[in-house]
Amino acid sequence: QLQLQESGPGLVKPSEPLSLTCTVSGGSVSSSSYHWGWIRQPPGKGLEWIGIIYYTGSSYNNPSLKSRVTMSVDTSKNQVSLNLSSVTAADTAVYYCARLDSWLRLYYFDSWGQGTLVTVSS
Amino acid sequence: QSALTQPASVSGSPGQSITISCTGTSSDVGGFNSVSWYQQHPGKVPKLIIFEVGSRPSGVSDRFSGSRSGNTASLTISGLQAEDEADYYCGSYTTSNTLVFGGGTKVTVL
Repeated sequence: QLQLQESGPGLVKPSEPLSLTCTVSGGSVSSSSYHWGWIRQPPGKGLEWIGIIYYTGSSYNNPSLKSRVTMSVDTSKNQVSLNLSSVTAADTAVYYCARLDSWLRLYYFDSWGQGTLVTVSS
Repeated sequence: QSALTQPASVSGSPGQSITISCTGTSSDVGGFNSVSWYQQHPGKVPKLIIFEVGSRPSGVSDRFSGSRSGNTASLTISGLQAEDEADYYCGSYTTSNTLVFGGGTKVTVL
C-alpha cells in the first residue's frame, strides 16, 4: 500500500527557506504513470496547489508563487523535496505531499500524505 | 491563476440530495476531462472521491456523482448522511500545464 510521509522543520523564520521532504513507500517515484505534487492549506482555509514534479525532474509550479518554488526528486532514496524561499507569515500552512495520476492525462491526486504543519514566525 | 469558484456552503437534511457547483473557464474545467473532487473532514487529509469528471475510485460510495456542463462541474451527493458533513474541493488541470483547486464548499447536514 502506497504511503507518503512529509518531514521537515515545523517552524521557519521569516525570510528563510522552507525545506520539506516526502518519503514514498509501497511505490516508486520513478513510475512513469505518476507525477508527485505538493499542496498546502493555510489554517482554516482552502487547498492551494504548489507544484508537481516527474521522476525525470520536469516540474510545473503555481505561477502565484513565482520563482520561490524549487522541487527535486531523489530516485535512489524514493523521495521528493520542496524548497520555498523567502517565506513570510502567509506561507504558514499544512503542507501535503501527494501522488498525481497522470497516465491518461487526467491529473488527479489519488494518494496523500498526512501533511505537516509549517509555521513561519520569528 | 484564479481559483475555481465554489459556493462557500451548502446544506441539506438527511436523505436529501445536494449539488455543489465548481465554475471555471474553457481553459480549465471546460477544456479537459481532468476535473476531480476531494472530501476533507475536519483535521483530516483530503480524499479523492471523483476523477475524470464523473468517475469514482474503488470504495467510494455511489451516492457521490459528478458531471459537467460547459465550464461548470458539479458534485451531487444523494441520500445525504451525517458522515457526509465535510469540506469539498474541486480541482482541474489547466491549459498552462498547471493545476487549480476550487475555494472549497462546507457541507452541513441539518
